[in-house]
Amino acid sequence: DAGVTQSPTHLIKTRGQQVTLRCSPKSGHDTVSWYQQALGQGPQFIFQYYEEEERQRGNFPDRFSGHQFPNYSSELNVNALLLGDSALYLCASSPTGDTQYFGPGTRLTVL
Amino acid sequence: EDQVTQSPEALRLQEGESSSLNCSYTVSGLRGLFWYRQDPGKGPEFLFTLYSAGEEKEKERLKATLTKKESFLHITAPKPEDSATYLCAVRIYGNNRLAFGKGNQVVVIP
Repeated sequence: DAGVTQSPTHLIKTRGQQVTLRCSPKSGHDTVSWYQQALGQGPQFIFQYYEEEERQRGNFPDRFSGHQFPNYSSELNVNALLLGDSALYLCASSPTGDTQYFGPGTRLTVL
Repeated sequence: EDQVTQSPEALRLQEGESSSLNCSYTVSGLRGLFWYRQDPGKGPEFLFTLYSAGEEKEKERLKATLTKKESFLHITAPKPEDSATYLCAVRIYGNNRLAFGKGNQVVVIP
């Protein structure tokens, strides 16, 4: 049984560009959450998707947007990249209302 | 504002030297407290969920306990492969997000 998968593994972008990160949830999980983790910090909640709708959002600007597809996979889009957006982006999936399981993450570097 | 504080920030242990990590929280309506293990550059790996004060869970050399204000992760006779950052997170009723602490970085020396 495959766990949560994310792509790409690493990504390098320049300031002002746009990026799309992808996540496939664990089999049987219908809820996907995205987190940003800066070096030496705990993950910070960006938003959560359920039934293709954004169910809850953390304290992140509108430059961060997402989407969930009918097969429960999800995308995170970040527009107008800033240097401060450099971080490990984590996707977590869960059955509704239950423990969240994390993927390996995408390391984004903004130059 | 929810707050999760983990201590100590960093810990060096000799192999076999047992110790405990602390996670204190100030939230209303705790729905669950979660422990994860994270290796450098990797995603967090789920360890335990605790739901109510007095609850305990064990897995190999790890044991997690919960009180009304804090949780402990006890590491018994650690091995070098237990070296990692241990993250604590809380979830409250009516809220779907996990609020994380900064983590306890543990290094076990052979």
